[in-house]
Amino acid sequence: DVKVTQSSRYLVKRTGEKVFLECVQDMDHENMFWYRQDPGLGLRLIYFSYDVKMKEKGDIPEGYSVSREKKERFSLILESASTNQTSMYLCASSLEKEAAGELFFGEGSRLTVL
Amino acid sequence: AQKVTQAQTEISVVEKEDVTLDCVYETRDTTYYLFWYKQPPSGELVFLIRRNSFDEQNEISGRYSWNFQKSTSSFNFTITASQVVDSAVYFCALSEAMNSGGYQKVTFGTGTKLQVIP
Repeated sequence: DVKVTQSSRYLVKRTGEKVFLECVQDMDHENMFWYRQDPGLGLRLIYFSYDVKMKEKGDIPEGYSVSREKKERFSLILESASTNQTSMYLCASSLEKEAAGELFFGEGSRLTVL
Repeated sequence: AQKVTQAQTEISVVEKEDVTLDCVYETRDTTYYLFWYKQPPSGELVFLIRRNSFDEQNEISGRYSWNFQKSTSSFNFTITASQVVDSAVYFCALSEAMNSGGYQKVTFGTGTKLQVIP
């Protein structure tokens, strides 16, 4: 079975702190994605990556950065957390470079910024 | 730009009723894929179905069926004889290959929360 693992299920951070959200997939998938999920707004794409060291901005990249040094790991970084970044963060991966690949999701990381 | 609209925010039905979840999408591409995902109360999104833009055949899988109509840019999902276990948030998604590089960008709708009442 494909497994996408997010390092932390729940985090509480203070405004201004640097936050790392880690995601690891074990199926040699090419593509990895970070979304945030908020009530009434659905899933919004923050960043995605289609290869090691390659990244693309999604629809709401402001305030975030990402790192993909190894194929299996995709990290989301909040350089200086703010209260409006309180959200559920979902990592996903897909196998195929083309658009056909279904996404496999992790369990999510719920971040609260105080 | 890609856009997916799920106009129904919440739906409640009584068990055994049929229910249809609507999805309308926008894209300039001729090649794309449409998906439905289910997010049960436990939280993890699960893939249900994929459709490519060249295949407008409807699909049935048990109590689930999907109706894809390019003419109206819709990809609707029907659950027949709903059950309590169908209670979840359902997301429609649009996937396109970007910039001729082949890499995938997936855009989700805002989701429809379905509550099936026993």
